[in-house]
Amino acid sequence: SAVISQKPSRDICQRGTSLTIQCQVDSQVTMMFWYRQQPGQSLTLIATANQGSEATYESGFVIDKFPISRPNLTFSTLTVSNMSPEDSSIYLCSVVLGYGSPLHFGNGTRLTVT
Amino acid sequence: AQTVTQSQPEMSVQEAETVTLSCTYDTSESDYYLFWYKQPPSRQMILVIRQEAYKQQNATENRFSVNFQKAAKSFSLKISDSQLGDAAMYFCAYLPVYGGATNKLIFGTGTLLAVQP
Repeated sequence: SAVISQKPSRDICQRGTSLTIQCQVDSQVTMMFWYRQQPGQSLTLIATANQGSEATYESGFVIDKFPISRPNLTFSTLTVSNMSPEDSSIYLCSVVLGYGSPLHFGNGTRLTVT
Repeated sequence: AQTVTQSQPEMSVQEAETVTLSCTYDTSESDYYLFWYKQPPSRQMILVIRQEAYKQQNATENRFSVNFQKAAKSFSLKISDSQLGDAAMYFCAYLPVYGGATNKLIFGTGTLLAVQP
């Protein structure tokens, strides 16, 4: 398995500001993903973080709103830009260690936008 | 498009009893993986059990077992001897395998399990 450290664990932010969430893995991983979990809802994939290239976004998510960086095989960041109350969610980083292996998740970041 | 359906938004079980959580999925693929994840109030997503579609034998993990019916596209989770610590949201998830490479996980809507002492 992998140890995934996600920071911050929670934050309360003002409308219109931006927050960057960090995800650090204790080993090199090929695939990293960012998920959003809105209150009382299931997980929705935001994007796949690609090392050395632009992230691959799912339908409904755009780079201007959720810029993602992945400078190496152990680290990624997700920024939630120009936040509104609708962005209040749990954001989770996840990784796949290898073929057919399950996703491993960080502890998540609980974001509240006021 | 692949979808995962959990028809039970909430379930309740008495401590030490057995409970079964339902999950169905829709796919045209023959090769894929299925998972059950548990999310307690701490919000950490914890892998409970995994099933490879090409394996007919149902996966088991201590008190947790699955009933995998590939033709029916059904993947239920049975929790035996329920414990208070089993109380959590349970998510069924489907992982397609394209060309030998793993891809993104597709989650169901979740079942909130309460365990009564």
